[in-house]
Amino acid sequence: EAQVTQNPRYLITVTGKKLTVTCSQNMNHEYMSWYRQDPGLGLRQIYYSMNVEVTDKGDVPEGYKVSRKEKRNFPLILESPSPNQTSLYFCASSSPRASGGRTDTQYFGPGTRLTVL
Amino acid sequence: QKEVEQNSGPLSVPEGAIASLNCTYSDRVSQSFFWYRQYSGKSPELIMSIYSNGDKEDGRFTAQLNKASQYVSLLIRDSQPSDSATYLCAVIFSGGSYIPTFGRGTSLIVHP
Repeated sequence: EAQVTQNPRYLITVTGKKLTVTCSQNMNHEYMSWYRQDPGLGLRQIYYSMNVEVTDKGDVPEGYKVSRKEKRNFPLILESPSPNQTSLYFCASSSPRASGGRTDTQYFGPGTRLTVL
Repeated sequence: QKEVEQNSGPLSVPEGAIASLNCTYSDRVSQSFFWYRQYSGKSPELIMSIYSNGDKEDGRFTAQLNKASQYVSLLIRDSQPSDSATYLCAVIFSGGSYIPTFGRGTSLIVHP
């Protein structure tokens, strides 16, 4: 089954304790991205990657890091989480040559709800 | 700054009516436009994509694109209570990444 997986789905942590949210896709997509979603603010892009070892900042990159060492994985790293990073996080993947005519469609993971105390 | 604007709503319509959702965007040369539906606490799911001016129909959904006016809309005919959700407009802007920028979403409520 084609899918994007994220782990963990829920996480409560404390300020300053480093954490990683994993994201993996099995569709051989080139593009992967991370979004955060907050009430009233919609989906905001954190980081994106066009291919292995190619990453770039989105609209709200402060406090986050990413890496793309393998095509299927795109982890999101919070080196020193703060309460303002409490949010719902989505990983997504896409490809400009996706089959079925749906080029550029974003496939989303199930989301990770993070609470930083 | 490339932006996607939507009215946050809520838009309330009776069951069976047509719901009309609107979106404007800032870059005239953008080429890819999407509508996603998101239920509370769930991930967005694609409803429609549209790439050229005019209308595109898929079942009860019709997307309309007017590039000259930088405007894209979604019509939902015969609205059902199960259509109650937040609808996100997304645009892939030209000259940048191939990752879409999302609007803040419009909340739709279909009441029986």
